[in-house]
Amino acid sequence: KAGVTQTPRYLIKTRGQQVTLSCSPISGHRSVSWYQQTPGQGLQFLFEYFSETQRNKGNFPGRFSGRQFSNSRSEMNVSTLELGDSALYLCASSSAWSFSVRLNTGELFFGEGSRLTVL
Amino acid sequence: KQEVTQIPAALSVPEGENLVLNCSFTDSAIYNLQWFRQDPGKGLTSLLLIQSSQREQTSGRLNASLDKSSGRSTLYIAASQPGDSATYLCAVRPGIYNQGGKLIFGQGTELSVKP
Repeated sequence: KAGVTQTPRYLIKTRGQQVTLSCSPISGHRSVSWYQQTPGQGLQFLFEYFSETQRNKGNFPGRFSGRQFSNSRSEMNVSTLELGDSALYLCASSSAWSFSVRLNTGELFFGEGSRLTVL
Repeated sequence: KQEVTQIPAALSVPEGENLVLNCSFTDSAIYNLQWFRQDPGKGLTSLLLIQSSQREQTSGRLNASLDKSSGRSTLYIAASQPGDSATYLCAVRPGIYNQGGKLIFGQGTELSVKP
């Protein structure tokens, strides 16, 4: 069973540019969450999508946005990049919101992340 | 506001030693608690998931306990090995029902196991 796949793994951008990151969840998982990890702030929740709808949102500015497609794949976009956006962006999938109690354990499975460097 | 704290921030032990990592949270209203491992530059690997109604979970040499009333969880690693060297993260899912993919993470404990 394939795990969570994130692309690209590494990317370098300059201030003011925008970036799009992609995440393919585990087959059968319909919930995709995004996290930002930095040395200073640790892991912080960005947002979560289920059935193409945003279900939860963290405390990030509007420059951070996301979407989910009908096949559950998700993308996140950061516009007008700032130096402080340099981070490891992690995607997680789960069976959350499933109608099956047996499946809906709430366990999250993470991808390898996308390392963004803003110069 | 839920806050998660992990102590110690770093730990170095000789190979073969049993060790305990601590995690505390401020609000006992949690749906579950999950322990992760992270190797440098990598993503998170799920180790153990404890539902709020459970007291402990075991997987191989790992045992995690949960005391919701006191806001504490421990991860016990038996007979540590150099391959256990990594950062261990504790995360809680806030709320009394499953609110999806939002987790609150601690800052992690960086473990080094010396041969």
